[in-house]
Amino acid sequence: EADIYQTPRYLVIGTGKKITLECSQTMGHDKMYWYQQDPGMELHLIHYSYGVNSTEKGDLSSESTVSRIRTEHFPLTLESARPSHTSQYLCASSPPVDSNEQYFGPGTRLTVT
Amino acid sequence: GNSVTQMEGPVTLSEEAFLTINCTYTATGYPSLFWYVQYPGEGLQLLLKATKADDKGSNKGFEATYRKETTSFHLEKGSVQVSDSAVYFCALGYSSASKIIFGSGTRLSIRP
Repeated sequence: EADIYQTPRYLVIGTGKKITLECSQTMGHDKMYWYQQDPGMELHLIHYSYGVNSTEKGDLSSESTVSRIRTEHFPLTLESARPSHTSQYLCASSPPVDSNEQYFGPGTRLTVT
Repeated sequence: GNSVTQMEGPVTLSEEAFLTINCTYTATGYPSLFWYVQYPGEGLQLLLKATKADDKGSNKGFEATYRKETTSFHLEKGSVQVSDSAVYFCALGYSSASKIIFGSGTRLSIRP
């Protein structure tokens, strides 16, 4: 069973606030990912990391930033939240042996008012 | 480039009906193919996968066969249950790469 955690699960916050979405995994996976999921369900890769001190931007441009100081932790930060950031954010990780398979956290549903 | 196209939803069926969700792909080389499922309020989880042509992936009564000649990986289940209501994503990936390409998702609703 995958052990990947996201907090908070739900967040409602006002415009202009700084927020950090937490993602942690206990599987020792090197690769980690952040996806933004539309209300229409489509997934968009916004950030990924190959390991500690490695971060890359994904296919969809995002105003968020990420860091990877520890293998198990991959937080996502928005410096100034806007209503356009309202979405579901999913974190995932994959093992080094078979990087095809990704394990997902339960997601954070963010609403910016 | 590489892409995945899957059947648009929503799909609504009665319990015990036969399910097919179509998925076709465009890719170079020999990708692995996946079906992921997302239950309400949860993240995605791997449902099944196939790593080479003619492989059949199966899990929880669902099956999909990797058809290289038709570039397809259709998901099937003989008798669906209400608990199968979820969003299903077809996807492809390469062992040499770090990213998976997901389809747009198909929402499935099963009526009792």
